[in-house]
Amino acid sequence: AQTVTQSQPEMSVQEAETVTLSCTYDTSESNYYLFWYKQPPSRQMILVIRQEAYKQQNATENRFSVNFQKAAKSFSLKISDSQLGDTAMYFCAFQEGGSEKLVFGKGTKLTVNP
Amino acid sequence: KAGVTQTPRYLIKTRGQQVTLSCSPISGHRSVSWYQQTPGQGLQFLFEYFSETQRNKGNFPGRFSGRQFSNSRSEMNVSTLELGDSALYLCASKWGTGTGELFFGEGSRLTVL
Repeated sequence: AQTVTQSQPEMSVQEAETVTLSCTYDTSESNYYLFWYKQPPSRQMILVIRQEAYKQQNATENRFSVNFQKAAKSFSLKISDSQLGDTAMYFCAFQEGGSEKLVFGKGTKLTVNP
Repeated sequence: KAGVTQTPRYLIKTRGQQVTLSCSPISGHRSVSWYQQTPGQGLQFLFEYFSETQRNKGNFPGRFSGRQFSNSRSEMNVSTLELGDSALYLCASKWGTGTGELFFGEGSRLTVL
């Protein structure tokens, strides 16, 4: 069974600084997808960024980028120029190709301080 | 465009009762998934429906069931409630199959006393 591990339960960063959230996963599959989801205090989860395992290029969405190390099974999220609105729980998630199921990590609570 | 709507938002039940939660997906979305979120276990996949058919099911006991209607609205039911069923139940929808973006509702907070 696939597992996703987020080793940092809580992190904090100053506004405008850069922060990196860690995620490792375990799978024997070769076809899979990785995601970072954000859950603000209002609880509605939203997709931040996704990465296809077959793509070597790291995904980027504005201030959010990932460092995808396939051999190490690592998928970290970098948030640049942190903003107060980035304060939220961040979940790393894994999806096997052909499956509709997402496997989530336990989450990292990120606080952006003014 | 309306988002994913879940009702009720909060509810309190007692052990042994049953509960039905409802989810209205984004218009045009045909896939609906359900997740249970607890502080201890995190987010766990319950099941997924597409065009009224359950395609995937997580490792939950048979007390947890669901269905999807022809208009893509979905319900999940939990019978014989236990204290451990207290959780936030999240519904998510997407247009089709595969790895399309999931859109989540705000959840239904169930407390079992």
